[in-house]
Amino acid sequence: DGGITQSPKYLFRKEGQNVTLSCEQNLNHDAMYWYRQDPGQGLRLIYYSQIVNDFQKGDIAEGYSVSREKKESFPLTVTSAQKNPTAFYLCASSVLSAGGSEQYFGPGTRLTVT
Amino acid sequence: GENVEQHPSTLSVQEGDSAVIKCTYSDSASNYFPWYKQELGKRPQLIIDIRSNVGEKKDQRIAVTLNKTAKHFSLHITETQPEDSAVYFCAASTTGGSYIPTFGRGTSLIVHP
Repeated sequence: DGGITQSPKYLFRKEGQNVTLSCEQNLNHDAMYWYRQDPGQGLRLIYYSQIVNDFQKGDIAEGYSVSREKKESFPLTVTSAQKNPTAFYLCASSVLSAGGSEQYFGPGTRLTVT
Repeated sequence: GENVEQHPSTLSVQEGDSAVIKCTYSDSASNYFPWYKQELGKRPQLIIDIRSNVGEKKDQRIAVTLNKTAKHFSLHITETQPEDSAVYFCAASTTGGSYIPTFGRGTSLIVHP
């Protein structure tokens, strides 16, 4: 069953704790992305990676970190430095194409920090 | 960088009416324009896309038009049905750089039976 998965679906943490969100894909896509979704804000890019062991900051990278040790996996860590971490987080993947290509999204993780 | 504006933020229509969502972009080098539909509690999914060498594309009840000169593109849904109710996102990406799409803020479409 091909696709992109995220776990867990819901995550609750206390303020001051780091938390890692999982993202795995078996689509053999080179590119992977993390977005944050807040009501009325659309999809804001946190980090992206186009090749293993390399990643780039997006528009709202502060307080987040990522790694890309395997092509299939792109975990996101929400650190205690992120001032407002409660949000819906979406992972996506795509082929790398000079003409642009469809992004395939995971089901998302809803993080609540209290 | 690219900036994408999407309007309206909310659109309410009666079943059977047409719905139009409009987006403008700033980077004239952008050449790929996808539209995603996100139903409540679900992941966004591509419903239609258009490239800059095409002015219009149709797929059953949905169509997208692109005006490169004015730098805007629109999603048209005809004969709307309650299952069309969702949030729709437009995006624009360019070959000049990282191919990363820039998304609009989304339009919440509500189709009343």
